[in-house]
Amino acid sequence: KAGVTQTPRYLIKTRGQQVTLSCSPISGHRSVSWYQQTPGQGLQFLFEYFSETQRNKGNFPGRFSGRQFSNSRSEMNVSTLELGDSALYLCASSLNGNNEQFFGPGTRLTVL
Amino acid sequence: DAKTTQPPSMDCAEGRAANLPCNHSTISGNEYVYWYRQIHSQGPQYIIHGLKNNETNEMASLIITEDRKSSTLILPHATLRDTAVYYCIVSFNYGGSQGNLIFGKGTKLSVKP
Repeated sequence: KAGVTQTPRYLIKTRGQQVTLSCSPISGHRSVSWYQQTPGQGLQFLFEYFSETQRNKGNFPGRFSGRQFSNSRSEMNVSTLELGDSALYLCASSLNGNNEQFFGPGTRLTVL
Repeated sequence: DAKTTQPPSMDCAEGRAANLPCNHSTISGNEYVYWYRQIHSQGPQYIIHGLKNNETNEMASLIITEDRKSSTLILPHATLRDTAVYYCIVSFNYGGSQGNLIFGKGTKLSVKP
């Protein structure tokens, strides 16, 4: 069974731009969660989607948004990029929304 | 904030058991103890979770004290590939409105030859 895939793996953007990251969960998994990882703040929860609905949201500004499609694939968008948005963005999927989550390799975003 | 306390780092000799402690004194009755690890530059990997009873799978064993205020993750025969940051997380079994995984700083385990 294929694991969680994330595209792109690496991305360089400049301040003020916007970016869309994609996550394909494990086949059959209905829940997708997104996390941001930085050296200073560690792994922080962004939001979780289950059956196309956002169920929970972490403490991030409205510039961070996401959505989930009917095939469970998910995208997250960051608008008006800031230098501090440089991070590893991780996506995780789980079968029924439980906390046994399977993580993808992440997208490394660099904002210049 | 994370509800757990873990030592920032530990060393273990290759082939020996690695015992990673975790304190979670404010755990509630319905919250589980989860363990994840993150090998450098990879996404976190689920290891094991439990509620009250000790649990074992092919990767590790989880020992939870009777009062549930602390637990220990045991890697029975550590290898160099077990070098990683290990996260102990207290959470409800289902995410969503009940809560998702809140990662703390974890324990950096270094397995040495």
